[in-house]
Amino acid sequence: DIQMTQSPSSLSASVGDRVTITCRARQSISTYLNWYQQKPGKAPALLIEAASSLQSGVPSRFSGSGSGTEFSLTISSLQPEDFATYYCQQSYSTPSFGQGTKVEIK
Amino acid sequence: QVQLVESGGGLVKPGGSLRLSCTASGFPFSDYYMSWIRQAPGKGLEWVSYISSSGTTIFNADSVKGRFTISRDNAENSLYLQMSSLRSEDTAVYYCAGGRSSSSSYDSWGQGTLVTVSS
Repeated sequence: DIQMTQSPSSLSASVGDRVTITCRARQSISTYLNWYQQKPGKAPALLIEAASSLQSGVPSRFSGSGSGTEFSLTISSLQPEDFATYYCQQSYSTPSFGQGTKVEIK
Repeated sequence: QVQLVESGGGLVKPGGSLRLSCTASGFPFSDYYMSWIRQAPGKGLEWVSYISSSGTTIFNADSVKGRFTISRDNAENSLYLQMSSLRSEDTAVYYCAGGRSSSSSYDSWGQGTLVTVSS
């Protein structure tokens, strides 16, 4: 199993802030890395697949980068609807998720 | 409209069994690789079980091996999870989720069904 580690576990930010979340894999996973957003009481929703490919309908303020073992999700200008929990997930082998990063309002 | 709808959750005693179902519509279910993913109350996402589009390849998380069985019926556009020897730590919302290949993301998710294991 490939362990995925996200940092930070939580963060407080204001509307308009630039936010970056990091995800590290215990071994190289090329670009088999996906990002999801989950709001309370809802199922996760895919934001970015293959490390940097934005899912259709996802605002362009979201971007992803990285390869190998280090990846990041950036929100260029945080909006009120972006306050949620974000998960990374590797699809290189049997799937595994990071522990999540909760983005809260400062 | 892509839709996955889970059913079958509920309250069950430790050691008991439960069968979850997931019905798909609005996309070519038989082309999709499907998984069950769970989320314990207040916790993160945990992948549980995977089945290939044809049903010939199956993987299970170590935490459920020998207790949970995933299956699918492409003619009925349905995915199943047979759960037995349930433990309190299996208490979670169970989501069915699908992707276009074995190494792709999960682009389709159900709304989840709650399984509570308690005496």
